[in-house]
Amino acid sequence: DAGVTQSPTHLIKTRGQQVTLRCSPKSGHDTVSWYQQALGQGPQFIFQYYEEEERQRGNFPDRFSGHQFPNYSSELNVNALLLGDSALYLCASSLGQGDYEQYFGPGTRLTVT
Amino acid sequence: GNSVTQMEGPVTLSEEAFLTINCTYTATGYPSLFWYVQYPGEGLQLLLKATKADDKGSNKGFEATYRKETTSFHLEKGSVQVSDSAVYFCAAANNAGNMLTFGGGTRLMVKP
Repeated sequence: DAGVTQSPTHLIKTRGQQVTLRCSPKSGHDTVSWYQQALGQGPQFIFQYYEEEERQRGNFPDRFSGHQFPNYSSELNVNALLLGDSALYLCASSLGQGDYEQYFGPGTRLTVT
Repeated sequence: GNSVTQMEGPVTLSEEAFLTINCTYTATGYPSLFWYVQYPGEGLQLLLKATKADDKGSNKGFEATYRKETTSFHLEKGSVQVSDSAVYFCAAANNAGNMLTFGGGTRLMVKP
């Protein structure tokens, strides 16, 4: 049973650039959530996608956008990167929009220089 | 929105010692509560959960009881092992159940 997978594992970008991170949910799951985890802190909710639409959004600027595909996989896009965007980006999948059990992937470590 | 506060670490214990990591929450209503564990270089793994007041979640020797009177969900284990060394996160779900609010994490180090 495949768990949540994310790519790439690590990424280095320059300030002002754009980045796309990818996530494949756990087999059988249809909902994907994205979290940002700064070093030494707890994850912060960015947004959740269900049925290819953004259903809930945390306190993040419009530079953060996403997409969900018909196969339930998802992308997180960040435009105009800032140094403060350096973090571990975690994808979590669940079954149904209101399901409380979210399964997390290993994350993508983004470094902005 | 919800907020979660947990004790700062690191918590350093000897093997077989008793563990308590405190967690309190602020929320409208009665959110579902969770403990997640993060091992070095890995994502978060769900350790246990409780969905209503007085529920006790348990897994792998860890326990936590949902206390609405004190708005707390403290994590306990009677005898820790070196392999329990990790960062532990307390989290609360919003009313729709689709957003988790995490505490800042508590690093546990267990020495042989």
